[in-house]
Amino acid sequence: DGGITQSPKYLFRKEGQNVTLSCEQNLNHDAMYWYRQDPGQGLRLIYYSQIVNDFQKGDIAEGYSVSREKKESFPLTVTSAQKNPTAFYLCASTNRKRDKNIQYFGAGTRLSVL
Amino acid sequence: DQQVKQNSPSLSVQEGRISILNCDYTNSMFDYFLWYKKYPAEGPTFLISISSIKDKNEDGRFTVFLNKSAKHLSLHIVPSQPGDSAVYFCAASVTTFGNEKLTFGTGTRLTIIP
Repeated sequence: DGGITQSPKYLFRKEGQNVTLSCEQNLNHDAMYWYRQDPGQGLRLIYYSQIVNDFQKGDIAEGYSVSREKKESFPLTVTSAQKNPTAFYLCASTNRKRDKNIQYFGAGTRLSVL
Repeated sequence: DQQVKQNSPSLSVQEGRISILNCDYTNSMFDYFLWYKKYPAEGPTFLISISSIKDKNEDGRFTVFLNKSAKHLSLHIVPSQPGDSAVYFCAASVTTFGNEKLTFGTGTRLTIIP
């Protein structure tokens, strides 16, 4: 089945630690996105990538880093510089030419600080 | 600056009746609008979209209305079913190839009362 897979489902981070959230898609989508959701808030864009080896900062990129070495994969690293990392993280992808601006989401990763 | 606003955090509707969810936007450059449905601890699922060249789009029980002059869109669900209980997000974008970012509202929690 085609889809977007995020792992792990739950993740715990210790103070000062970097953690990496995985996002893999087998939909052959060219664009991928990372969002953060906090309680009572909408989804806020962290980073996005429209092609391999290229990515842009979203609205809240500070304390995060990404890479896009393969079309299928767009991992997000939450660095120790992110002082409030507890949130629900969502990865999305789209075929920009076919699907216009419709983005398809993974099931999410919930990150908590120990 | 919240460019997409959902002013009702929650809404309760009797099963079988119509649910109307509202969304307002401030950026007149937005030309494509989407509604997503989200269950707890899951990723959002695309429901329905509308281009600014239309004022109505229908898909089964779901209809989206767009009033460009008022910068307002609404999602109608008829008839409402218990499985419709979820958080609904509206999103907007500017359709420029290479700039397919979505701006999300804060969501409305819909509860269908049996």
